[in-house]
This record gives sequence, C-alpha cells and structure tokens, in this order.
Amino acid sequence: TQLLEQSPQFLSIQEGENLTVYCNSSSVFSSLQWYRQEPGEGPVLLVTVVTGGEVKKLKRLTFQFGDARKDSSLHITAAQPGDTGLYLCAGPSTANAGKSTFGDGTTLTVKP
Amino acid sequence: DVKVTQSSRYLVKRTGEKVFLECVQDMDHENMFWYRQDPGLGLRLIYFSYDVKMKEKGDIPEGYSVSREKKERFSLILESASTNQTSMYLCASSLSTDYGYTFGSGTRLTVV
Repeated sequence: TQLLEQSPQFLSIQEGENLTVYCNSSSVFSSLQWYRQEPGEGPVLLVTVVTGGEVKKLKRLTFQFGDARKDSSLHITAAQPGDTGLYLCAGPSTANAGKSTFGDGTTLTVKP
Repeated sequence: DVKVTQSSRYLVKRTGEKVFLECVQDMDHENMFWYRQDPGLGLRLIYFSYDVKMKEKGDIPEGYSVSREKKERFSLILESASTNQTSMYLCASSLSTDYGYTFGSGTRLTVV
C-alpha cells in the first residue's frame, strides 16, 4: 500500500517567518501534487511535480520533488496570514489506476 | 475558468432520508470522484467513475451509491442517511491523476 506521510501535522508561526513542510513515502510516485485547502472550501491544486529533483516556484512557495521521487517538500518564504490552510500532498496510485493517494495534510496557521 | 460545481454548500437531512448530492464539471474530464473529509481521518474515497455509466468502489462505499448518466455529472446518493454520514463531501474531476484533481467547494452535510 502506498502511503504519503506529511509532517508536521500542525504548524503555527508568526507572519514573516519561513517554513518547510514535508511529504514522504517509501514508494516511488510518477508525480506528486500539492493542494491548499481553506476552511469550508475544497482543496485547490497548487502544483504538480513530475521529474526527480524538480523545483517549482509559485511566488513565495517553493516545491521540490526528491531525486528518487519518493518525497517532496514545500517551503514558504515570509509567510502571510493568507497562507493559512491545510496543505495536502497527493500522488497517483500504482495499485489502483485512476485513483490518487492523499496524505493527511499539514495544518498551517500564520498569525498576524 | 474551469469548474467543478456542487449543488449545495450546506444540507441538513433527517435520519433515514434519501439524499442526493450533485456534482457537475465543465472540463470534459473522464474521471470523477466523491470523497468525504472528516477531522483526523483525512480524505476518504467513496466512489469514482472513469466513464459514463461506469463506477468503481472506493475505500468506504458502504451506505452510498452513485450515478453517472452524463459525462459532466456525477451524483452521490445516500440511500438512508445516518448520523455517521455527517461530513464534508467533496467532488473532484481529473483528466489524469498525473495532473491532479479539480475539486468542488464541498457540501457540508449534517444528518440529524
């Protein structure tokens, strides 16, 4: 069974701080996606990483896919209250075509 | 702007009622999914469909059924609602799991 483990589970920081959250697996994924979910809303796709070692930037957010395609990280520079939300990683399941495996997420709170 | 639209944001139903949750996507995606999301349990897949009139059970199909009569519409049916089906229900569609999902805004269902 492919599992995606996210850490930390909860993170509370002050505005302006930097942070990194992690998504780890013992399995290889063909790609990984990161989503952000605000309270009461559905998750919104932020990025897809496909190539081992790939780095993608989305304004203050930097996403990295591990060389072995088993892990990924999300780094936020100078966090803002608008970054508050649940960050989920997900990847295609090799055992069940057409489905994705989701991590349990990191809940980020950025205090003004 | 591509969209997945869920018919209701909030629903309150009585135990034993038959409940229909509707989802429509405008992206011509083959794949559609129904998840429920509960605190501490993450996203759990109920059913998914990879084509019109096709359906596959997810991880927790008991107590639910689905209908996909048209490509753009995927309906989740609670045959006889129970209090343990109180949850946030999320519909999603995708072109391919390698590209991630587009989620709807969710339906917060309360069964009393």
